[in-house]
Amino acid sequence: GAVVSQHPSRVICKSGTSVKIECRSLDFQATTMFWYRQFPKQSLMLMATSNEGSKATYEQGVEKDKFLINHASLTLSTLTVTSAHPEDSSFYICSAPGQPYGEKLFFGSGTQLSVL
Amino acid sequence: EDKVVQSPLSLVVHEGDTVTLNCSYEVTNFRSLLWYKQEKKAPTFLFMLTSSGIEKKSGRLSSILDKKELFSILNITATQTGDSAIYLCAAYNFNKFYFGSGTKLNVKP
Repeated sequence: GAVVSQHPSRVICKSGTSVKIECRSLDFQATTMFWYRQFPKQSLMLMATSNEGSKATYEQGVEKDKFLINHASLTLSTLTVTSAHPEDSSFYICSAPGQPYGEKLFFGSGTQLSVL
Repeated sequence: EDKVVQSPLSLVVHEGDTVTLNCSYEVTNFRSLLWYKQEKKAPTFLFMLTSSGIEKKSGRLSSILDKKELFSILNITATQTGDSAIYLCAAYNFNKFYFGSGTKLNVKP
């Protein structure tokens, strides 16, 4: 199956710093990638849809200036958490729809962000 | 409002038991229903269902979709401790994947 690589898997940072998370589709092209946030024992919450060559689409309640998304190429999307605060601590996971019909989501391994 | 509802939210069984997990959906332009298993990190794909009434099987797991009543079930027979996980279902409509809250399954020895 298709492989989605996400880095880093874990990051600890100080409050006020910015953190970048990378998501790569390794063996297929992804014009769209989805970024989710997951709190302990809860389901996946869609934050935004990343689109190659255009602006990301954010879900209601998600701050665009806080969570910067860039879809630089057909295989790379990045999420930058700017000026991170403890309440941003969470598990962030990216996913990409697999070809050929985009009906199956393939997930990265996730990033556990801890903001001190 | 598009939504996916899973039940039960959590379940505790003993090894060897059979479990049925439920997923109901209300999603416009529905295309397919997907099941995932999430243990510690990334969800892993189990099934994708697009047609009503056709059961999909993989070992002890099976799933079926009812597009008239708008629900799907995931069955696990002869459960093992390794089946302990959160099971997520998602409905896809050519635009987004809508996830349910998940069912946390705990299989005790």
